[in-house]
Amino acid sequence: GQQLNQSPQSMFIQEGEDVSMNCTSSSIFNTWLWYKQDPGEGPVLLIALYKAGELTSNGRLTAQFGITRKDSFLNISASIPSDVGIYFCAGGWDNNAGNMLTFGGGTRLMVKP
Amino acid sequence: NAGVTQTPKFRILKIGQSMTLQCAQDMNHNYMYWYRQDPGMGLKLIYYSVGAGITDKGEVPNGYNVSRSTTEDFPLRLELAAPSQTSVYFCASSKSLAGNTGELFFGEGSRLTVL
Repeated sequence: GQQLNQSPQSMFIQEGEDVSMNCTSSSIFNTWLWYKQDPGEGPVLLIALYKAGELTSNGRLTAQFGITRKDSFLNISASIPSDVGIYFCAGGWDNNAGNMLTFGGGTRLMVKP
Repeated sequence: NAGVTQTPKFRILKIGQSMTLQCAQDMNHNYMYWYRQDPGMGLKLIYYSVGAGITDKGEVPNGYNVSRSTTEDFPLRLELAAPSQTSVYFCASSKSLAGNTGELFFGEGSRLTVL
């Protein structure tokens, strides 16, 4: 199946710092998505990317769909304590049934006030 | 706004016991999914359904069964629980197939421990 490598696995940063995380794969994806999971909750979609090269922002979050369609990054600017959580990338791809998602292993973000 | 509701939130099982994780959504979504989440491993797809009466295997289906008799409900059954099934289980639903739009709506998760 499709594999996604997400890095870093965890980050511990000071409030106000910028954050960058990325996902890479040897496979091509049709869509790239970034989710955030708060403690004790299910993941929630942050940003969806549908075209190679696309750069999209959502408030302090910016994500890009790599031009090769094999990678994506997520940046968070001026981090705040509520940014704490696990961030997942996910790649959309086609199988016989249609379009499916493969998730990365997650980046655990901790923010020190 | 109920969205996707999972029960129970926590459960401890003995090896060999059976149980059903319940999932219901009130958004009239055709597509529903069961994922398991293990530390550092992301979310792995167990089973999914594209509509009532239709289910299909995901990446890690062994040891599980599902049914989809209604649009709203998508229960996940563990017949003979094993320690390897200790995990957090997430049910999700979407308006279209996940890879098309990525807009999956997740429940809060069910933490299962098999001892």
